[in-house]
Amino acid sequence: GENVEQHPSTLSVQEGDSAVIKCTYSDSASNYFPWYKQELGKRPQLIIDIRSNVGEKKDQRIAVTLNKTAKHFSLHITETQPEDSAVYFCAASSIGQDKIIFGKGTRLHILP
Amino acid sequence: DSGVTQTPKHLITATGQRVTLRCSPRSGDLSVYWYQQSLDQGLQFLIQYYNGEERAKGNILERFSAQQFPDLHSELNLSSLELGDSALYFCASSAGPREQFFGPGTRLTVL
Repeated sequence: GENVEQHPSTLSVQEGDSAVIKCTYSDSASNYFPWYKQELGKRPQLIIDIRSNVGEKKDQRIAVTLNKTAKHFSLHITETQPEDSAVYFCAASSIGQDKIIFGKGTRLHILP
Repeated sequence: DSGVTQTPKHLITATGQRVTLRCSPRSGDLSVYWYQQSLDQGLQFLIQYYNGEERAKGNILERFSAQQFPDLHSELNLSSLELGDSALYFCASSAGPREQFFGPGTRLTVL
């Protein structure tokens, strides 16, 4: 069945360093890959997404890369700041389906 | 504010009881999704409705059921509650296979 694996489950980086979170998906029909950020006690919110016709997308300090052949995609956060501390979820959605399968999440800690 | 509302915000009940969680999607969104998030766990997809009809089912227990009404609001019914059902339940809505907008969640505590 459809599955999204996410690694690592916890990540600690020094403020100002970069953070990378990786995900793999099983359904080769997947064509939409969103990333959500969930701050403590709050709802998940979309921070960036990418579609299968694009290999990379950037939005200020955040970038996402997609390798369709290998069926994996990654989130890159550069120049990390304290407010980047949160749980990040990757997800994948298949063609013709509204259902999104989420990874188990990565808890990112930005160390002072 | 995402435009998705959920009530109640908190719910405390006892094992064996039944509760109903309510969700109102963003104006114009036809799809409603329900997720369960247990402590330190990810988002478990439960079920999706589109314009009143069930569209997709995830890991939803038989004790749980949902429906979407003509005005597009949705309700998630949880019955014969167990301690393990304690979790944060999120509703999300979307206009299609793209960004989902999450509500603030309902925190359910089963004692």
